[in-house]
Amino acid sequence: DQQVKQNSPSLSVQEGRISILNCDYTNSMFDYFLWYKKYPAEGPTFLISISSIKDKNEDGRFTVFLNKSAKHLSLHIVPSQPGDSAVYFCAASRYRDDKIIFGKGTRLHILP
Amino acid sequence: ETGVTQTPRHLVMGMTNKKSLKCEQHLGHNAMYWYKQSAKKPLELMFVYNFKEQTENNSVPSRFSPECPNSSHLFLHLHTLQPEDSALYLCASSQATSGGTQYFGPGTRLLVL
Repeated sequence: DQQVKQNSPSLSVQEGRISILNCDYTNSMFDYFLWYKKYPAEGPTFLISISSIKDKNEDGRFTVFLNKSAKHLSLHIVPSQPGDSAVYFCAASRYRDDKIIFGKGTRLHILP
Repeated sequence: ETGVTQTPRHLVMGMTNKKSLKCEQHLGHNAMYWYKQSAKKPLELMFVYNFKEQTENNSVPSRFSPECPNSSHLFLHLHTLQPEDSALYLCASSQATSGGTQYFGPGTRLLVL
């Protein structure tokens, strides 16, 4: 039973436009959410996080939105750049718990 | 070296071999993790160490044996593996039990023949 779901295996977006990556979770005990980015032949790197007391967190071109009632979060990248082409993992945990549950990832292609 | 390093980056082994994966973190963290990433599956947590003590074993078969001699080093000893154990093995570290961000190494891609 997958607790963190990324239902889109891949997404293609034109350079300069907005990329929206979606993630759903099933465990209502999760209260801390993260996005990781992974390039081929590298480990995942932390991108942005949000705790359940917020519904939005912004860091430069990256914004994460959290809808607790829908158990849904999304990552917005605007404007999208070629270097954003990567696999993006959504992850969730209970705050102060070291166990993070990851989704399967979404491969983002930024088209020139 | 900075961050989290892993060696070797690639490993091919037979089912009767014994090998070890090594992870080292230079971030001053005190929690370290082993994850397995198989094709088309989510990252699976295998083991967690906090302050060198194992705090999580996620029902991992005994053919995988972790070792954490200190807070900066983590090993995964492999013996009598199966072909289905072929995967990317990722090490990560974080501040212990903080729910904080985990920082990953580049991984070891393992192929079991």
